[in-house]
Amino acid sequence: QQQVKQSPQSLIVQKGGISIINCAYENTAFDYFPWYQQFPGKGPALLIAIRPDVSEKKEGRFTISFNKSAKQFSLHIMDSQPGDSATYFCAASNAGNMLTFGGGTRLMVKP
Amino acid sequence: GAVVSQHPSRVICKSGTSVKIECRSLDFQATTMFWYRQFPKQSLMLMATSNEGSKATYEQGVEKDKFLINHASLTLSTLTVTSAHPEDSSFYICSARGGAGGYTFGSGTRLTVV
Repeated sequence: QQQVKQSPQSLIVQKGGISIINCAYENTAFDYFPWYQQFPGKGPALLIAIRPDVSEKKEGRFTISFNKSAKQFSLHIMDSQPGDSATYFCAASNAGNMLTFGGGTRLMVKP
Repeated sequence: GAVVSQHPSRVICKSGTSVKIECRSLDFQATTMFWYRQFPKQSLMLMATSNEGSKATYEQGVEKDKFLINHASLTLSTLTVTSAHPEDSSFYICSARGGAGGYTFGSGTRLTVV
């Protein structure tokens, strides 16, 4: 059972544009929602994370929006740059247990 | 910040041999470590969870006798792929929980079995 669904699978954005990636979860016990960035041949690196007691968190060009009632959360990358081209994964966990990952989004930012 | 060192980054081995992958937390004590497997263009799939000093918990479908996990200290966990076969070729990634309470990932190991 896929507990975290991520969309789109791939995304092409022009430099300077906004990249938006969405995730939906099923398990209401999840209490930690991170986003990871992964470059080819490398491990995932934490970008930003949110807990369900807030609806939005911003760090630099990255913003997480969280909708608890809809069981959805999204990543917004403002002013997207070619260097942001990577695969992005949303994830969720419950009480510090294992992370459940979404299927990933391959982002390409065109110059 | 928390750092997890994973070695080797790449390994090529012959079919039937065993390969050991190490994962070390450098500046924090990792009470729990997770091992993932990732096929090309796919997401990370959890293989097993290990807690220091106890036996690992394997996900359904993962052969525990083939993928041996040892977590003997709070800073080191190892994954040994025994009697490797070409279908075991994949990208293996460890993750440690600890430090600031989040999850820190290693840089991954590309295993190729020939």
